[in-house]
Amino acid sequence: DGGITQSPKYLFRKEGQNVTLSCEQNLNHDAMYWYRQDPGQGLRLIYYSQIVNDFQKGDIAEGYSVSREKKESFPLTVTSAQKNPTAFYLCASSIDLEYNEQFFGPGTRLTVL
Amino acid sequence: EDKVVQSPLSLVVHEGDTVTLNCSYEVTNFRSLLWYKQEKKAPTFLFMLTSSGIEKKSGRLSSILDKKELFSILNITATQTGDSAVYLCATSGTNAGKSTFGDGTTLTVKP
Repeated sequence: DGGITQSPKYLFRKEGQNVTLSCEQNLNHDAMYWYRQDPGQGLRLIYYSQIVNDFQKGDIAEGYSVSREKKESFPLTVTSAQKNPTAFYLCASSIDLEYNEQFFGPGTRLTVL
Repeated sequence: EDKVVQSPLSLVVHEGDTVTLNCSYEVTNFRSLLWYKQEKKAPTFLFMLTSSGIEKKSGRLSSILDKKELFSILNITATQTGDSAVYLCATSGTNAGKSTFGDGTTLTVKP
């Protein structure tokens, strides 16, 4: 089955710790994205990547970092510099940046204690 | 800065009712407007609209775009409890990779 997987589903971390969220896709899509969703709000773009070894900051990149070493994988690290990291994180992919229909993973709910 | 505003924020209807969800936008160099349905977690794609006045339909759902007035509507006829979800509107503009999402409309359909 083609799709996007994210792991873990739920993640708890202590304040001050870095944490990495996994995102893998087997859709052969070039573009991948990370969004953050807070309760009652829409999605806000953290980072996106058009191709391997290239990524761009979105609207709320501060306190986050990404890598794109393989086409299939786009992990997101939430660093201790992110002031309010507790949120629902969604990864998505699309054929390329020009084709806007995005396919989303099931999300990771991060809680920082 | 691009902006997307959805209304109403929430809506409660009964099965069989027809609903209209609204999305207005301000986008530099508009490319497209997309509608997604988010039930529990992952949003799923419904429609992509790029041209004014052309209605897109999928079963009981339909959507249309007005590029002059800068808005789109999503219609759902003969609603069912399975239509209960958050409906998200998103636009893309100058930078193709950067979609701007609205806060969503939470639709609750009661039996």
